[in-house]
Amino acid sequence: GAVVSQHPSWVICKSGTSVKIECRSLDFQATTMFWYRQFPKQSLMLMATSNEGSKATYEQGVEKDKFLINHASLTLSTLTVTSAHPEDSSFYICSARVWKGGETQYFGPGTRLLVL
Amino acid sequence: AQSVTQPDIHITVSEGASLELRCNYSYGATPYLFWYVQSPGQGLQLLLKYFSGDTLVQGIKGFEAEFKRSQSSFNLRKPSVHWSDAAEYFCACDGSGNTGKLIFGQGTTLQVKP
Repeated sequence: GAVVSQHPSWVICKSGTSVKIECRSLDFQATTMFWYRQFPKQSLMLMATSNEGSKATYEQGVEKDKFLINHASLTLSTLTVTSAHPEDSSFYICSARVWKGGETQYFGPGTRLLVL
Repeated sequence: AQSVTQPDIHITVSEGASLELRCNYSYGATPYLFWYVQSPGQGLQLLLKYFSGDTLVQGIKGFEAEFKRSQSSFNLRKPSVHWSDAAEYFCACDGSGNTGKLIFGQGTTLQVKP
């Protein structure tokens, strides 16, 4: 149980286009999901908190107009990278928060974005 | 500012040898602490977590971690490493009052020699 999927697993796009990444909790409901960004050989950096039915909250330094987050249901959150540029190339990872014997987050496998 | 430090970027151990991965956190109170493992093509998998109580925590795959308040540490250990343990290991903490906002360490790459 507690599986989180992401789609697509990788995407290549041209500079200036927008890319949507989906994060789904497959066998549980999650009122809160998180989006992280990971650069090669580096740690995960929290970008934003996605709450079902409300606006996402962004971490300091993250452009909310660049990274649009929508949490339309208890099992789906989407991250849209708008007008992508090469510097947006990265590994994007989502997680879904549940209370299971305490605070627990389940992570998706990640989406690798390459902007040409 | 809250932070998590993993002093060892890369560790190599022989199969069957014991393992200890270090993690130090910087936070005033006792945060929630986690160890995750990341393998290529797979999502981060939770190995174990500490919230309160017994400071020695048992996890999956034979891993354990010990919370030491006096040293602000939460080191991960395994008595006998298997080749399949080769991966990236991340220590993380939630120091924001259970908001779920995890702060990750830099990660430690574990290589296992046959």
